[in-house]
Amino acid sequence: DIQMTQSPSSLSASVGDRVTITCRASQTISRYLNWYQQKPGKAPKLLIYAASSLQSGVPSRFSGSGSGTDFTLTISSLQPEDFATYYCQQTYSTLFTFGPGTTVDIK
Amino acid sequence: EVQLVESGGGLVQPGGSLRLSCAASGFTFSNYWMHWVRQAPGKGLVWVSRINSDGSNTDYADSVKGRFTISRDNAKKTLYLQMNSLRAEDTAVYYCARDNLVMTALDYWGQGTLVTVSS
Repeated sequence: DIQMTQSPSSLSASVGDRVTITCRASQTISRYLNWYQQKPGKAPKLLIYAASSLQSGVPSRFSGSGSGTDFTLTISSLQPEDFATYYCQQTYSTLFTFGPGTTVDIK
Repeated sequence: EVQLVESGGGLVQPGGSLRLSCAASGFTFSNYWMHWVRQAPGKGLVWVSRINSDGSNTDYADSVKGRFTISRDNAKKTLYLQMNSLRAEDTAVYYCARDNLVMTALDYWGQGTLVTVSS
């Protein structure tokens, strides 16, 4: 099974900050990596698919990069509505593992 | 507008069964693969199962294989998850989600339905 890790597990940031979250796969997954945002009590929302493709309707301050085993999600200028938990997910092999999540809260 | 609405959650005793439903609207349901994902209280997301567009192919997480069955009725635009031999560790919010068919990204999600397994 492919294991996914994320770092950091949580971070505190201010509005306007540049935020980077890292996701690492236990084996190569090419670009089969998606990013989701989840707010408390709400369903997850797709932000980025295929490592770097921006989902329709998602603000351009979100971007993704990487391939192989190492990936990043970047928020170029953090907005109040971006405080949430972010999950990566590999879809290279069935089992479609999610990472443990990174919580972004207000400094 | 794409909508996915889950139902069927509730309180069930260990060893019991429950069937979840996910009613789809706003898109051609029969064209899309569909998934179930669950989230235990205060925990992260866990993929549960997937079904292809005509229901002929399914996949399951090891933790539910042999106990859960995913199915669909394209005429009714409804996805199902039959859950048998339920355990306390199956307690979670269960989400249905649509596969965008591009590297299996889940582009639309329902609001979730809570399943509690407890005596």
